Amino acid sequence: DVKVTQSSRYLVKRTGEKVFLECVQDMDHENMFWYRQDPGLGLRLIYFSYDVKMKEKGDIPEGYSVSREKKERFSLILESASTNQTSMYLCASGWGQPVETQYFGPGTRLLVL
Amino acid sequence: QKEVEQNSGPLSVPEGAIASLNCTYSDRGSQSFFWYRQYSGKSPELIMSIYSNGDKEDGRFTAQLNKASQYVSLLIRDSQPSDSATYLCAVNVLDSNYQLIWGAGTKLIIKP
Repeated sequence: DVKVTQSSRYLVKRTGEKVFLECVQDMDHENMFWYRQDPGLGLRLIYFSYDVKMKEKGDIPEGYSVSREKKERFSLILESASTNQTSMYLCASGWGQPVETQYFGPGTRLLVL
Repeated sequence: QKEVEQNSGPLSVPEGAIASLNCTYSDRGSQSFFWYRQYSGKSPELIMSIYSNGDKEDGRFTAQLNKASQYVSLLIRDSQPSDSATYLCAVNVLDSNYQLIWGAGTKLIIKP
């Protein structure tokens, strides 16, 4: 079974804090993705990575950065958290070019006060 | 602007009936189409993928693709209360090997 884990299920942070969200997959997938999901807006891609140390901006990268030092681990960083970054954050991984199935982690619900 | 459109619902269907979920997309060259199911408070999980025009069946689920009309649909036969969830449609981005464009999802409620 494919397993994608995320470091936290729920997180409460204050405005201006630096926030780290971590994602680990155990299936040797080349591709990893960070999305945020907000009601009525669907899944929006923040960043993705197709190889170690490689990263590409998605549709909404502003205010975020990522790191992929090892194949199995993809981190999302909120440099200075703001209230409009309150959201559900979903990590996914998958293989193939073009993209095939994406497997999702359980999500991190982040509240920025 | 590449878009995937879905009716947000909720779509209410009696138990045992056929539920029909629809999705339209704007990128005429898209090749890969996916239906994901998301239970409340959970993450999306893949139900079906479809790549060619026509129907693809998997158990109670049938995906239908019509590239000329740019729509993809999901039929759920013999609907069960456990099918109550939000169904997300995703379509590949033509000029990217990696990106999918996601619809906002249709909330399906199966009434016993």
